[in-house]
Amino acid sequence: GIQVEQSPPDLILQEGANSTLRCNFSDSVNNLQWFHQNPWGQLINLFYIPSGTKQNGRLSATTVATERYSLLYISSSQTTDSGVYFCANERGGADGLTFGKGTHLIIQP
Amino acid sequence: NAGVMQNPRHLVRRRGQEARLRCSPMKGHSHVYWYRQLPEEGLKFMVYLQKENIIDESGMPKERFSAEFPKEGPSILRIQQVVRGDSAAYFCASSPGLAGYADTQYFGPGTRLTVL
Repeated sequence: GIQVEQSPPDLILQEGANSTLRCNFSDSVNNLQWFHQNPWGQLINLFYIPSGTKQNGRLSATTVATERYSLLYISSSQTTDSGVYFCANERGGADGLTFGKGTHLIIQP
Repeated sequence: NAGVMQNPRHLVRRRGQEARLRCSPMKGHSHVYWYRQLPEEGLKFMVYLQKENIIDESGMPKERFSAEFPKEGPSILRIQQVVRGDSAAYFCASSPGLAGYADTQYFGPGTRLTVL
């Protein structure tokens, strides 16, 4: 089945720093989504981005479908950005999403 | 417009009991997905349903697990004779189903099942 690899697995930054999270796919990018799971376990949609670039406030994402990767940028990090960031892609043409193992981000004050 | 709703948020069961997890999709959404998140792991797809139909259950264990999405009412994920290994967070997602399978999925808050 489709493989989704995220890097880095863990990231600790100071408040105000910028970060880039990466997601690589073994198959074509059809339904690429980024999520933030906050410390309370809630999954929050960040971006639906099968291709191109989108921005939402301090967050932006870019997907290069031809090279099978996506990047999530977080600028001017805040402590509330802490949590786990997941990317997910459609399961090789089937329904449902395949998730990566996530990047665990800790923003220290 | 309310988001995806799941209940209960927390569920404790003893080994051998049944667990029923409910999911009400977003208004206007006709596609429901269930995922399971084991501790310290990502989410794993379990089953995809449309009203009165199971479309893909390839991620669901063959025994003890079942899911339904009736014409009226919420989607139900049922786990019979629970074991400790079933302890996990179960998330439901919904999508409008307008673009085939390439749809944004919106997730509920999850049900955290603990099996004693």
